[in-house]
Amino acid sequence: DAGVTQSPTHLIKTRGQQVTLRCSPISGHKSVSWYQQVLGQGPQFIFQYYEKEERGRGNFPDRFSARQFPNYSSELNVNALLLGDSALYLCASSLGQLSSAEYFGPGTRLTVT
Amino acid sequence: GENVEQHPSTLSVQEGDSAVIKCTYSDSASNYFPWYKQELGKRPQLIIDIRSNVGEKKDQRIAVTLNKTAKHFSLHITETQPEDSAVYFCAAPGSGYALNFGKGTSLLVTP
Repeated sequence: DAGVTQSPTHLIKTRGQQVTLRCSPISGHKSVSWYQQVLGQGPQFIFQYYEKEERGRGNFPDRFSARQFPNYSSELNVNALLLGDSALYLCASSLGQLSSAEYFGPGTRLTVT
Repeated sequence: GENVEQHPSTLSVQEGDSAVIKCTYSDSASNYFPWYKQELGKRPQLIIDIRSNVGEKKDQRIAVTLNKTAKHFSLHITETQPEDSAVYFCAAPGSGYALNFGKGTSLLVTP
């Protein structure tokens, strides 16, 4: 079975632009979570989706949005990019039950210049 | 929301020694505690997890202990090897189903 996949691997954008990141979960997993990891820090929770519904949102501005598709893949959108949005964006998938283990994808490295 | 504190931030041990990383959490209702290992430039990898109905779990050289009364849990690595060098993160459930992560421990195992 393939693990969690994410695209693109790397991305360079300029301030004010918009970006869309993509994630495909492990087959059979219905939940996708998005995290932001700044260098030297632990991942910070952005969103969780389960069965196409938003189930949780972290402390991020409305410039961040996400959605989940019928095949359980997901997109994270960030509008009006700021320099501070530069980070590794990680997607994690799980079965979606309480206390289900989360498995991370390789991440998308976003650089905003 | 859940607050997870992790110590130490850096840890250097000699090959063959043991390493212990400790985390505390604030929400007494938390019931799931995973540990992740992240090598430079790679994804966080789940290495072991524990649920609140047990006090200890082992997997070869790795063990996790949980003290629900004191609200802390620890990762123990025995017979450390250079390939154990990485950043280790603990986590606990935050609001809803999300995970709150500690700030990480950078472990260096020297030959």
